[in-house]
Amino acid sequence: GAVVSQHPSRVICKSGTSVKIECRSLDFQATTMFWYRQFPKQSLMLMATSNEGSKATYEQGVEKDKFLINHASLTLSTLTVTSAHPEDSSFYICSASPPTVTQYFGPGTRLLVL
Amino acid sequence: AQSVTQLGSHVSVSEGALVLLRCNYSSSVPPYLFWYVQYPNQGLQLLLKYTTGATLVKGINGFEAEFKKSETSFHLTKPSAHMSDAAEYFCAVTRGTSGSARQLTFGSGTQLTVLP
Repeated sequence: GAVVSQHPSRVICKSGTSVKIECRSLDFQATTMFWYRQFPKQSLMLMATSNEGSKATYEQGVEKDKFLINHASLTLSTLTVTSAHPEDSSFYICSASPPTVTQYFGPGTRLLVL
Repeated sequence: AQSVTQLGSHVSVSEGALVLLRCNYSSSVPPYLFWYVQYPNQGLQLLLKYTTGATLVKGINGFEAEFKKSETSFHLTKPSAHMSDAAEYFCAVTRGTSGSARQLTFGSGTQLTVLP
């Protein structure tokens, strides 16, 4: 139980294009989803928190216009990196949480912007 | 604000030896505490968590951790290391315990190497 999927697992795009990453909770309803960014050999940094049907809450320093988050249903959240640049290359990980305190993590999406 | 300190970015143990990964936290309110494991190029897998009740919690793969409030610690242990335990381990705490404060603050991680 408590499986979270992410798609795609890897994506390469050209600078200036937009990329959408999907996060799905497969066997539970996620009232809250979280998006993290992880640089090589570093820890996870929370980017934003999204509750189903509400606007996402972004962490300080995260550009909301660049990282668009949509949580349209209880099983799906999307992160769109708009006008991606090489510095946006990173490992993006989502997590999903039912109405409990535990977060269940997806397998991550590696983004490379050329 | 919460912070999590994991002492030792790299820990090496011999196969069959005790594993001890240290985690200390600071928080203005008693948090919930977690240990996650990450294998290369993968997401995080929950090992165990402490919310309330018994302070010694048992997790998957033979790991356990003890919440010591007086020491603000939540160290992870395993009596006998296995080669498959080699991975990155993250300690994390919630910002609070209410529904709106479930965001996690992560430690910097500890890379565990198991030597044959």
